[in-house]
Amino acid sequence: NAGVTQTPKFQVLKTGQSMTLQCAQDMNHNSMYWYRQDPGMGLRLIYYSASEGTTDKGEVPNGYNVSRLNKREFSLRLESAAPSQTSVYFCASTRDRGYYEQYFGPGTRLTVT
Amino acid sequence: QQPVQSPQAVILREGEDAVINCSSSKALYSVHWYRQKHGEAPVFLMILLKGGEQKGHEKISASFNEKKQQSSLYLTASQLSYSGTYFCGTEKTSARQLTFGSGTQLTVLP
Repeated sequence: NAGVTQTPKFQVLKTGQSMTLQCAQDMNHNSMYWYRQDPGMGLRLIYYSASEGTTDKGEVPNGYNVSRLNKREFSLRLESAAPSQTSVYFCASTRDRGYYEQYFGPGTRLTVT
Repeated sequence: QQPVQSPQAVILREGEDAVINCSSSKALYSVHWYRQKHGEAPVFLMILLKGGEQKGHEKISASFNEKKQQSSLYLTASQLSYSGTYFCGTEKTSARQLTFGSGTQLTVLP
């Protein structure tokens, strides 16, 4: 099992460029999440998907869009990148029953210049 | 609303104990604890549910005071590997959405 995988690991964008961060999990989890983490801060939820075809806004959704392509994959898109979106982005997933610890991917380090 | 963690940072020697606190102004359904090492992803440590259920690692314990909306993580006989930033994540309902605190940086020295 690979767990939660994310691509790319690093990315540098110029202001106004667009890109998609990819996330996939092989644990058959229904719930998936996108977080951003800024220096010295905790994780802030951007978007959440409880199942294939459903998505909900989290705490900081502005400037982002998401797609739950299927049960395995959940992508995050920046349509017009801004320097304020420089951050580390983590994808996570969790099971639906019982104890539901979140499993995190390795992160994508994004710099917008 | 973001839970408040204290202390923000703690330094201790190997073998010493530490307590990290997490408090919320809202009634909570659950509290999660995660540890993150520099440059890595957060890793699950504990979950404490309203009503007393909990699950976590053997060497780490935690408490959840539902009336005060507070949780504490107890690290006993610290090892060098305990170094990292500890985050609590709180949940107001069973919606499986966590709000994380800003973290407590723990450094264990030899």
